[in-house]
Amino acid sequence: GIQVEQSPPDLILQEGANSTLRCNFSDSVNNLQWFHQNPWGQLINLFYIPSGTKQNGRLSATTVATERYSLLYISSSQTTDSGVYFCAAGGTSYGKLTFGQGTILTVHP
Amino acid sequence: GAVVSQHPSWVICKSGTSVKIECRSLDFQATTMFWYRQFPKQSLMLMATSNEGSKATYEQGVEKDKFLINHASLTLSTLTVTSAHPEDSSFYICSASSNTGISQETQYFGPGTRLLVL
Repeated sequence: GIQVEQSPPDLILQEGANSTLRCNFSDSVNNLQWFHQNPWGQLINLFYIPSGTKQNGRLSATTVATERYSLLYISSSQTTDSGVYFCAAGGTSYGKLTFGQGTILTVHP
Repeated sequence: GAVVSQHPSWVICKSGTSVKIECRSLDFQATTMFWYRQFPKQSLMLMATSNEGSKATYEQGVEKDKFLINHASLTLSTLTVTSAHPEDSSFYICSASSNTGISQETQYFGPGTRLLVL
């Protein structure tokens, strides 16, 4: 199956800083999603982005499918951005997602 | 749109009892639902894929007789942990596939159920 690796595992920022989170995957994908898991465990959909670039407010994401990686950009970080960010990828098995190990983001005021 | 609910959010039970967790898609029809478990400070691991009206497909290493999955309608899937033991204590999360024709494989996740087996 698909292998998904995320980096960095931990990231500590001051409020207002920008950051880039990376997700590498081992095979062709037809599904690539980014999630933010809040302190209560709820997974919040950020992007569905098997290819291309999308933006939503201070967040944007880019997936380069041919090179098998995706990037999540967070600009002007806020303390509420803290939490775990997961990348998940799916290949030919319809709908099945493999999650990376996550990036723990801590934003200090 | 695309809201998924789970019930209960917390459950504490004695070893040997069975626990049922419900997953509902509230505003869309989900032909496919997924069940994951997450241990503290770890990632999500897929347990099984559930298709409406058919038997669930379990991932390698997941006991199908231990974790019974039923997907009787397009909006409801249930996971029953049978004869629960302390090692089954975990955070169980369901997701549902939204077939919009635009993003056919987007998965939307429920808020999760924390199970503690004493």
